Amino acid sequence: GAVVSQHPSRVICKSGTSVKIECRSLDFQATTMFWYRQFPKQSLMLMATSNEGSKATYEQGVEKDKFLINHASLTLSTLTVTSAHPEDSSFYICSAIGRIPSSYNEQFFGPGTRLTVL
Amino acid sequence: AQSVAQPEDQVNVAEGNPLTVKCTYSVSGNPYLFWYVQYPNRGLQFLLKYITGDNLVKGSYGFEAEFNKSQTSFHLKKPSALVSDSALYFCAVSPNSGNTPLVFGKGTRLSVIA
Repeated sequence: GAVVSQHPSRVICKSGTSVKIECRSLDFQATTMFWYRQFPKQSLMLMATSNEGSKATYEQGVEKDKFLINHASLTLSTLTVTSAHPEDSSFYICSAIGRIPSSYNEQFFGPGTRLTVL
Repeated sequence: AQSVAQPEDQVNVAEGNPLTVKCTYSVSGNPYLFWYVQYPNRGLQFLLKYITGDNLVKGSYGFEAEFNKSQTSFHLKKPSALVSDSALYFCAVSPNSGNTPLVFGKGTRLSVIA
């Protein structure tokens, strides 16, 4: 149980295009989802917190107009990188917290999406 | 603000030997501490967590960690390392058990040599 999936697993796009990344909780309802970004050989940095039905909360320095987050349902959050540029190339990882009695407030991580912008 | 320090970028250990990956933390209040492992191009896999109770926490794949409040440490240990344990290990802290994001250390790359 408590599986989080991400789609796509990797994507290559041209500079200037937009890319949508999906994060799904497969077997539980995710009350909160987090989006992290990981550069090569570095740690995960929180980008934003997403609660179902409300606007995402962005960390300082993260452009909300560039990284659009939508949490339309209790099982799906999407991150859209708009007008992507090579410096946006990174590994994007989502995590979810859900109503799971045995794992109260534990975060479950998706497998990540490797974005490469040419 | 909370923070996590993993002082070693790289840890090398021979297969069959015990391993330790160090982690110290700084948080106001009672900490909630986690260890995750990451294999290349993969997401994070949960190993273990400390919320409350016994200071020695046992987790997945034979790993354990000891919470030391006086030293603000939460070192990850395993009695006998396997080559398959080679990966990137992250320590993380949360200030409470609520819906708050984790703060991660920079990660320690473990290399187990046959």
